[in-house]
Amino acid sequence: AQSVTQLDSHVSVSEGTPVLLRCNYSSSYSPSLFWYVQHPNKGLQLLLKYTSAATLVKGINGFEAEFKKSETSFHLTKPSAHMSDAAEYFCVVSDNDYKLSFGAGTTVTVRA
Amino acid sequence: ETGVTQSPTHLIKTRGQQVTLRCSSQSGHNTVSWYQQALGQGPQFIFQYYREEENGRGNFPPRFSGLQFPNYSSELNVNALELDDSALYLCASSLAGVVYGYTFGSGTRLTVV
Repeated sequence: AQSVTQLDSHVSVSEGTPVLLRCNYSSSYSPSLFWYVQHPNKGLQLLLKYTSAATLVKGINGFEAEFKKSETSFHLTKPSAHMSDAAEYFCVVSDNDYKLSFGAGTTVTVRA
Repeated sequence: ETGVTQSPTHLIKTRGQQVTLRCSSQSGHNTVSWYQQALGQGPQFIFQYYREEENGRGNFPPRFSGLQFPNYSSELNVNALELDDSALYLCASSLAGVVYGYTFGSGTRLTVV
C-alpha cells in the first residue's frame, strides 16, 4: 500500500527566506514521488518528480527535492521564497502504473 | 499544445440526481484519470482509463462510472448524488501513466444540495 504524510499543514515564511515542506512516504515497492502545487481556482501543476534516477531532483521555479530512502522522505525546498509561491502544495506517491496517492497538503503563505 | 480542459467549471445538483462531467485530454495523451478533491483535502483517485478500458479503480462505489472515447476525451458519471459528493473533480491525462507524469485540468466544482 502507498501513502503519504505531509508533516506540516501550514507553513509561513518571509519573502526571500528559504522554504521547507516535509513529506514522508510509505510504499511497498520502489515508488515514484512527485510534488504538485495548486493555486486558488487553478488545476494542479507538477513541480518535480522522482522516478529512480538521481536522488536530488530539480524542478520548476527554483524548487528541488531530495529522495532519502533510509528516511522514507521526499522534502521540498526552495532557497528564496517569492510572493507568487503562496499556494497549496501536495506530496504524491505512486508504486503502480495508474494511481497517485496525495498527501493532505501544505498551505504556504509568504509574508512581505 | 493544448492542456486538459474540463466542463462545466461549476455545477449545482440536487441529491438523488445524476451528473456527467467532461474532460478533453491533452493532445497525444491516451490515458485519463479522475480524482475527487473534497474541501481542505488532497485529491482521491477515482479511476483511470487507458485506450478506452478501465485499468485501475480507487475506493469509490459503482455509482461512479466513466467512459473514454476513441479521441481520448472522457466522461465521469455519478448516479444517485449524495451531499458528500460535493467536491472539486479533477481530470488528468498522461502519455501512458505514472512515470510519464500527468497534466491536470482546472476541475469541475460540483455542489450537491
